[in-house]
Amino acid sequence: DTEVTQTPKHLVMGMTNKKSLKCEQHMGHRAMYWYKQKAKKPPELMFVYSYEKLSINESVPSRFSPECPNSSLLNLHLHALQPEDSALYLCASSQSPGQGNQPQHFGDGTRLSIL
Amino acid sequence: AQTVTQSQPEMSVQEAETVTLSCTYDTSESNYYLFWYKQPPSRQMILVIRQEAYKQQNATENRFSVNFQKAAKSFSLKISDSQLGDTAMYFCAFMKHDGGATNKLIFGTGTLLAVQP
Repeated sequence: DTEVTQTPKHLVMGMTNKKSLKCEQHMGHRAMYWYKQKAKKPPELMFVYSYEKLSINESVPSRFSPECPNSSLLNLHLHALQPEDSALYLCASSQSPGQGNQPQHFGDGTRLSIL
Repeated sequence: AQTVTQSQPEMSVQEAETVTLSCTYDTSESNYYLFWYKQPPSRQMILVIRQEAYKQQNATENRFSVNFQKAAKSFSLKISDSQLGDTAMYFCAFMKHDGGATNKLIFGTGTLLAVQP
């Protein structure tokens, strides 16, 4: 069982829709991450939240909007996506942003398809 | 900038045999961390093993061990007694030690390992 829970597991949406991906962890981790992964490719970092504040935005288009309402929850709001945004979206968390050797724990991902 | 290279896109091994996956990296940092993650078809990225660069002793986790050669910037993964459940994509990853300011993982391109019965 994964300790990082992502919902939904699959999402199909049109280019004009608005949807959200959700990620939850109850391990007391204070750093949370969003990654995008295309088939047979490594994950690409999108955003990092540290103590509920956005610390890294890897030049992600504004049609992706992250939100961290509390230390356990991370959302990714989607609007006006393009077909090339179809991918597996992975959420991860790690203990303390001040401890660089803490590994990231990943969820199962949300498989997103844009029609 | 740091880069991670996995030169074996695909590998195959017979059940119960041993296989070694290669990883090299390029960095000017002296203190950093290295990881191997596996991603089975179920999609979840699972941490297999990690190594702190300042430690000379190679990390081991049950059937998994690494050969860390800091001077050569090499970090290979050895899987002993391969099992069907080891079938997965394996990613090597690098994280520099910046006090955890970013905790940014840099992944290699991955090696798809198939364990044959």
